[in-house]
Amino acid sequence: AQSVTQLGSHVSVSEGALVLLRCNYSSSVPPYLFWYVQYPNQGLQLLLKYTTGATLVKGINGFEAEFKKSETSFHLTKPSAHMSDAAEYFCAVSVTASGGSNYKLTFGKGTLLTVNP
Amino acid sequence: DAGVTQSPTHLIKTRGQQVTLRCSPKSGHDTVSWYQQALGQGPQFIFQYYEEEERQRGNFPDRFSGHQFPNYSSELNVNALLLGDSALYLCASSLRGISVGNTIYFGEGSWLTVV
Repeated sequence: AQSVTQLGSHVSVSEGALVLLRCNYSSSVPPYLFWYVQYPNQGLQLLLKYTTGATLVKGINGFEAEFKKSETSFHLTKPSAHMSDAAEYFCAVSVTASGGSNYKLTFGKGTLLTVNP
Repeated sequence: DAGVTQSPTHLIKTRGQQVTLRCSPKSGHDTVSWYQQALGQGPQFIFQYYEEEERQRGNFPDRFSGHQFPNYSSELNVNALLLGDSALYLCASSLRGISVGNTIYFGEGSWLTVV
């Protein structure tokens, strides 16, 4: 069974500082990995995803993540934080249903990012 | 292009009552999933519908049931509500059968409070 662990339920950075949100996964098969962002009182928005190919994945709003199989990690980074980045971030791994491509997402518990002026 | 739409956005119910939440998937999508997100937690998979049938189910009791209509829209029903059912209920849509890793799109959610 797949699982996701997000290290740090709350990360606080200064505006302009590096953002690093940690995610480790467990999967018995090659994983498909996702980062979603949730702004207050809103649904989930996809930031980026890793399926196959290049291990460094670029997403929206200047975020990127690197898939490291040896470390079973998929950490999210952004070189310079902006006030508008304040939100909750969820790492997720896909679970493939038997017999085909249909799948569900297993989420971590989330990391709340606050950005200080 | 409309994304995933859900209704109602907020509702309050009493313990023991029943609730129905509705979802219209993103245009062109044929698969609908439902997730429950309790306060301070990540979303948890309830079930998934495709071709009007429940295809996968998470670890939720039979009080949680659903339906998918021919136009791919879906309903989530919860019977005999408990206080612990208070949560944000998220609908997600995707396109089945192309490839794993297809993007799953989420709606804004329905906030359910059980009192």
